Amino acid sequence: GDSVTQMEGPVTLSEEAFLTINCTYTATGYPSLFWYVQYPGEGLQLLLKATKADDKGSNKGFEATYRKETTSFHLEKGSVQVSDSAVYFCALTLYNNNDMRFGAGTRLTVKP
Amino acid sequence: NAGVTQTPKFQVLKTGQSMTLQCAQDMNHNSMYWYRQDPGMGLRLIYYSASEGTTDKGEVPNGYNVSRLNKREFSLRLESAAPSQTSVYFCASSNGRVQEKLFFGSGTQLSVL
Repeated sequence: GDSVTQMEGPVTLSEEAFLTINCTYTATGYPSLFWYVQYPGEGLQLLLKATKADDKGSNKGFEATYRKETTSFHLEKGSVQVSDSAVYFCALTLYNNNDMRFGAGTRLTVKP
Repeated sequence: NAGVTQTPKFQVLKTGQSMTLQCAQDMNHNSMYWYRQDPGMGLRLIYYSASEGTTDKGEVPNGYNVSRLNKREFSLRLESAAPSQTSVYFCASSNGRVQEKLFFGSGTQLSVL
């Protein structure tokens, strides 16, 4: 079935370090891809999305490029801040399906 | 602007008890969803409602019932709680299909003893 697999955490970085969180997907059609972020004690918030191959989603310094050839949607940020500490979820959905499939989440901790 | 409001935030039940989780959104969204979040498994869809008056099963519907009371409200009921239903439950809404942005509530942490 349709699914996403993301790198296991937790990930601990120092402030201003480069961040990559890997995400790969399996889908029978052409999915839309998403990154959601969950800050402590809150619900998930959409961080960025891409709806077709080669699209790049970006927001708040985070970027991810929809790579059809490698079925990937890796999340990157050039310089993380303490305030980026959260759990990050990769997700996909197909246009004719009302079910969004989430990865297991990757916990990021950024230390000063 | 409250967005998506869930009640209660925390609940402890004994096996076999029943309860209803409440969810309301004030964004005039058509679609609403219930997810559960378990460690190491991400979020899984329990039920969704694409519009007022309709509900459909998601990935893990067994042991749950839902009611789309009106456009604003979507409740989730556990008729006979089981320890396997210990989880964090999130309600979400979207203006259209799930491919649109999902707005989440802050969650209900449920423990079934």
